[in-house]
Amino acid sequence: KAGVTQTPRYLIKTRGQQVTLSCSPISGHRSVSWYQQTPGQGLQFLFEYFSETQRNKGNFPGRFSGRQFSNSRSEMNVSTLELGDSALYLCASSSNRGRSYEQYFGPGTRLTVT
Amino acid sequence: SQKIEQNSEALNIQEGKTATLTCNYTNYSPAYLQWYRQDPGRGPVFLLLIRENEKEKRKERLKVTFDTTLKQSLFHITASQPADSATYLCALDGGSQGNLIFGKGTKLSVKP
Repeated sequence: KAGVTQTPRYLIKTRGQQVTLSCSPISGHRSVSWYQQTPGQGLQFLFEYFSETQRNKGNFPGRFSGRQFSNSRSEMNVSTLELGDSALYLCASSSNRGRSYEQYFGPGTRLTVT
Repeated sequence: SQKIEQNSEALNIQEGKTATLTCNYTNYSPAYLQWYRQDPGRGPVFLLLIRENEKEKRKERLKVTFDTTLKQSLFHITASQPADSATYLCALDGGSQGNLIFGKGTKLSVKP
């Protein structure tokens, strides 16, 4: 099976702009979670989607949003970018919801905000 | 609030030795605990999952323990190799919602 894919891999944006990141989960996986990773804060949970519905949300401002399509592919959007949004954004898929399921991560999108 | 600490940011050991990484948590009683490996520039890779009623789990050269009394998990790599050099992350289940809460990781360096 192909792994989790994320596009684009690298992105440079200017403060105030918005950005959309894409994630294709492993075939058959219905749960997609998004994380932000920075050197100072580590991996922080953004949100989880399952069957096109947001099931869980982390402690991030409303500028961060996402959605999931019927084929389980997911996108996340960050509006009004700030310098502090520079990070590695990781998408992870799992076969089902629930804390007993391991997650399969994509390679991430490196976002740099200047 | 929930807090997860991995004992050190970096651990240097000699090839062939056993590496032991620690994950401590407070204000929390997770039912599941997972360990992941992350190489530079890549996403984390799942290694092992252990349940609260399991004391120990093994997979090849890897062993994980889960002590709910001490609120601690130990992750061991026996007969370590330079290829084991990476950052290792522990992750706890975030409760009934199902999301994972990650520690900041320990960077392991195995010297030949």
